[in-house]
Amino acid sequence: AQSVTQPDIHITVSEGASLELRCNYSYGATPYLFWYVQSPGQGLQLLLKYFSGDTLVQGIKGFEAEFKRSQSSFNLRKPSVHWSDAAEYFCAVGGAGGTSYGKLTFGQGTILTVHP
Amino acid sequence: DVKVTQSSRYLVKRTGEKVFLECVQDMDHENMFWYRQDPGLGLRLIYFSYDVKMKEKGDIPEGYSVSREKKERFSLILESASTNQTSMYLCASSLYGLAGYNEQFFGPGTRLTVL
Repeated sequence: AQSVTQPDIHITVSEGASLELRCNYSYGATPYLFWYVQSPGQGLQLLLKYFSGDTLVQGIKGFEAEFKRSQSSFNLRKPSVHWSDAAEYFCAVGGAGGTSYGKLTFGQGTILTVHP
Repeated sequence: DVKVTQSSRYLVKRTGEKVFLECVQDMDHENMFWYRQDPGLGLRLIYFSYDVKMKEKGDIPEGYSVSREKKERFSLILESASTNQTSMYLCASSLYGLAGYNEQFFGPGTRLTVL
C-alpha cells in the first residue's frame, strides 16, 4: 500500500530564512509526487509535481523539490521564506499502480509559521 | 481557471440527521473526489467518481454515500450523521485518467459540526 510521511508537524522559520520540508513515501512502482499548499480558510493549491525526468522540480512561488529514489524522499525547499508562505503543506504520492484508477495518498501535513 | 465550489463553508447538524454536501466544478472534469481533513491525519479519501453514475470507494467510505447524476456535480451524503463525522470536507476534481497522476483542483472546504 502506498503511504506518505511528513515527519515535521510544525515548523517555525524567520522571514528571509531558508526552508526545507521533509517528505518520505512508500510506493511499489515509479511514484508520481506532489506538493500542495493550503492557506488558512482555503482549499489546496498545487505547488509542484514530479512524474519523471529531472529529479529537481521547480514550482510556483519560488519553491522547488528534489526526488531522491534511494532515500524515498521528495523534500520541498525555498531559499528565502516570505511571511505569505505561512500555511499548511501537504506531500502526496500517486501513480499507475493499485486499483485501475489509482488514487493520491496524502501525508499528515506540515504547518509552517513565519516570524517577522 | 478551474473553479470548484462547495455549497456551504460551515454547517451545523444534529446527530441522526441526513446531511448533503454539494460540490460543483466548471471545467468539464471527469474525475471528482471527496476527502475529509482532520488535524494530524492529513486528507483521507472517502469516495471518488470517474464518470457520471460511476463511483469507487476510497479509504474511509463507512457512513458515507455519494451521488453523481451530472458531470459537474458530486454530492456526499451522510445518511445518519454522527459526532465522529465532525470534520472539514474537501471536494476536488481532475481530468480524465488515472487519479494518481493528474493535478487535483480543490474547493474551499465545508466545515461540518455534528452535535
